[in-house]
Amino acid sequence: EPEVTQTPSHQVTQMGQEVILRCVPISNHLYFYWYRQILGQKVEFLVSFYNNEISEKSEIFDDQFSVERPDGSNFTLKIRSTKLEDSAMYFCASISGRGYNEQFFGPGTRLTVL
Amino acid sequence: AQKITQTQPGMFVQEKEAVTLDCTYDTSDPSYGLFWYKQPSSGEMIFLIYQGSYDQQNATEGRYSLNFQKARKSANLVISASQLGDSAMYFCAMREPNLSGSARQLTFGSGTQLTVLP
Repeated sequence: EPEVTQTPSHQVTQMGQEVILRCVPISNHLYFYWYRQILGQKVEFLVSFYNNEISEKSEIFDDQFSVERPDGSNFTLKIRSTKLEDSAMYFCASISGRGYNEQFFGPGTRLTVL
Repeated sequence: AQKITQTQPGMFVQEKEAVTLDCTYDTSDPSYGLFWYKQPSSGEMIFLIYQGSYDQQNATEGRYSLNFQKARKSANLVISASQLGDSAMYFCAMREPNLSGSARQLTFGSGTQLTVLP
């Protein structure tokens, strides 16, 4: 069964460093998402991406964040200058858009900012 | 106002008994979808069950069923015959359409930590 994959599974970085989180959505999917979950809290929407551009973003997704689909398969989230409060689990998700009931999550990347 | 409300931060249930996890939602759109996810301590999000706003029947998936009461805007998850492996965090989520009518992101509740006791 096709699945969303994410790398790395765990990333440790120093405050102020740039990080890139990588996702490979399911191949025929058209809508891509990033979510964030701070430890012990709920999952929060960051950004959605469709047709090679951002379709929606939350107030969390400020100028420090950017997304890209550089090669038609990878979907990346970049945090330009990490802060301590960026420490969280980051989930990528994708859907084909044909069914309202679908949502495929990747296994997540745990980001730790020191 | 919260879109998704889960009022039970923690629940305990005896093994083999049934448990109901509460979820209420808030939307003015007639078309929406409701999801339940399980998140074990390992962190991944495991899809459990889905209910569409126009579905006539309550959704069921094995030991999971969704008690959908549209007028009350509630979508409670019922787990029958609880197992020790059911101990996890459970999240309720909702999808509403965006302005173009296509599917948009999920909005999650704060979750319920379920502990199954032997």
